[in-house]
Amino acid sequence: QKEVEQNSGPLSVPEGAIASLNCTYSDRGSQSFFWYRQYSGKSPELIMFIYSNGDKEDGRFTAQLNKASQYVSLLIRDSQPSDSATYLCAVIMGNQFYFGTGTSLTVIP
Amino acid sequence: GAVVSQHPSWVICKSGTSVKIECRSLDFQATTMFWYRQFPKQSLMLMATSNEGSKATYEQGVEKDKFLINHASLTLSTLTVTSAHPEDSSFYICSAFRDTNQPQHFGDGTRLSIL
Repeated sequence: QKEVEQNSGPLSVPEGAIASLNCTYSDRGSQSFFWYRQYSGKSPELIMFIYSNGDKEDGRFTAQLNKASQYVSLLIRDSQPSDSATYLCAVIMGNQFYFGTGTSLTVIP
Repeated sequence: GAVVSQHPSWVICKSGTSVKIECRSLDFQATTMFWYRQFPKQSLMLMATSNEGSKATYEQGVEKDKFLINHASLTLSTLTVTSAHPEDSSFYICSAFRDTNQPQHFGDGTRLSIL
């Protein structure tokens, strides 16, 4: 059974710290990986995508992919209170989308 | 980035009413659209997957006669909640998907409240 797993949290970090969000997936053949942010009461919004092993940086966000370990992570540098949200990991496995249940992040001022 | 428009954003209606929600991809042709439901503080729950011109595929436990999905074109899908009851009150979200290995793009969601 194909699965995407995330630690549900909640994860709390102080303002200015690095927040690290982790995700594992079951299908070794997966090629496409996405991170979404969902604020309370809002719909998810795409913040990062990564297809190749290694790091991909976009502003304060870095996605890290390790296909051998079936692991994708999202780092948020200089965390801000406005980053407080639920972060969803999504993986395309066998031409279907699979979402993790999300990790709740709280950035404490 | 890709834009998906969802209307209405908020609906309040009486029990027994049927409610239609529209989902449009504004700047790309969506081969597939998804419909989700989310209850407060819970995860997204996929209800159904729709492909243009074919019948929707419903997830286990989702009543296809209650949640009617029409995907008439590559840019429009509709979800009709028929004879809605208070237990159908939820946050309904659509998303559109363009092609293999591309992300899903979400609409802003529709908050449905049945009195």
